[in-house]
Amino acid sequence: DQQVKQNSPSLSVQEGRISILNCDYTNSMFDYFLWYKKYPAEGPTFLISISSIKDKNEDGRFTVFLNKSAKHLSLHIVPSQPGDSAVYFCAASDTGANSKLTFGKGITLSVRP
Amino acid sequence: DAGVIQSPRHEVTEMGQEVTLRCKPISGHNSLFWYRQTMMRGLELLIYFNNNVPIDDSGMPEDRFSAKMPNASFSTLKIQPSEPRDSAVYFCASSRQLRTDTQYFGPGTRLTVL
Repeated sequence: DQQVKQNSPSLSVQEGRISILNCDYTNSMFDYFLWYKKYPAEGPTFLISISSIKDKNEDGRFTVFLNKSAKHLSLHIVPSQPGDSAVYFCAASDTGANSKLTFGKGITLSVRP
Repeated sequence: DAGVIQSPRHEVTEMGQEVTLRCKPISGHNSLFWYRQTMMRGLELLIYFNNNVPIDDSGMPEDRFSAKMPNASFSTLKIQPSEPRDSAVYFCASSRQLRTDTQYFGPGTRLTVL
């Protein structure tokens, strides 16, 4: 059973426009959420995170929004650039001392020049 | 820092053969994770270690899979015997602490079992 769901496998946007990547989770114990970015033939790299005590975290062009009541988070990229084309993984963890990250299946973002 | 190092980068083997994947975590990192990426299941956590001790191996699919971490700078993931359905990209990641926000991933090993 997928506890972290990225239901859209791919997204294509025009350069300069906004990219919105969505993620849903089912485990109410999750209290920390992250986005990782992955280029082909490379490992995922950390992009941005958010704690459950916040509903928004911003880092440059990247903003993550968290809606705890809906168990939903989203990653906004503004403006989108061709170099943003990659697979984006949503991940979550809970407060346990031995907590681990649970990843979604990923979304492939293509930014068209 | 060289980052997380994995070897080999590519492995092609025949069904029934033993496969050993290797990982060197970032120096000073206390936690190490093995993941598998497939189209069907995405990125799955197989097992993770803290201070060289296995904490949770519930993600290991079968007894054919085993992992060791004999010291702080080296870990192996072994599949014996390998099967075609084991074909995937296997990632190793490390972090300073178990409960930390950033895991640093290696480049992965692409395993193909014929």
